[in-house]
Amino acid sequence: QKEVEQNSGPLSVPEGAIASLNCTYSDRGSQSFFWYRQYSGKSPELIMSIYSNGDKEDGRFTAQLNKASQYVSLLIRDSQPSDSATYLCAVNSISNFGNEKLTFGTGTRLTIIP
Amino acid sequence: ETGVTQSPTHLIKTRGQQVTLRCSSQSGHNTVSWYQQALGQGPQFIFQYYREEENGRGNFPPRFSGLQFPNYSSELNVNALELDDSALYLCASSFIAGGTDTQYFGPGTRLTVL
Repeated sequence: QKEVEQNSGPLSVPEGAIASLNCTYSDRGSQSFFWYRQYSGKSPELIMSIYSNGDKEDGRFTAQLNKASQYVSLLIRDSQPSDSATYLCAVNSISNFGNEKLTFGTGTRLTIIP
Repeated sequence: ETGVTQSPTHLIKTRGQQVTLRCSSQSGHNTVSWYQQALGQGPQFIFQYYREEENGRGNFPPRFSGLQFPNYSSELNVNALELDDSALYLCASSFIAGGTDTQYFGPGTRLTVL
């Protein structure tokens, strides 16, 4: 089982609609959760961080965390063509060597259709 | 702009050669993490440096090594390059070691091994 799983997509959403991106993780001890956006050929850019169960809103973005279900999601409201990118879910976890590290999913490719 | 810089931007090497990649962390950050991102994959944790010492390591062989300097800048060295080492190499800086703190990525170095 992968440590952090995301649907690779592509996910196509009409402009102005809500895009919903999902992520599950395997380490029940994880405490920190991040969403990064990555445009093709560029490096990841932080969108949201969330540490507690529930919702966290920032502009058009809402992160949702459910630790009991080991599930984190990102909602993008009023989707814009500029939101077309790959969205990476990242979770802190303990490595095989016993140290704490950030583990990424493979990313979901999102396309906003004008 | 995150304030994290990396050099060089692109690099082409041949199999068996050695390479050094450089990273300057964001002002005020004392921790640098290095990641390898193959095409179509999420970033994979290589190692992290905190106060000039390796603070954690992922599943990478010893030919991947690093340094952190007193000004918190860092180097990633890869010896005996293999074709599979071709990837985008990302460094990320943060204030707190481990995986709990937000990590900000530099623009990356694209390494091609022929």
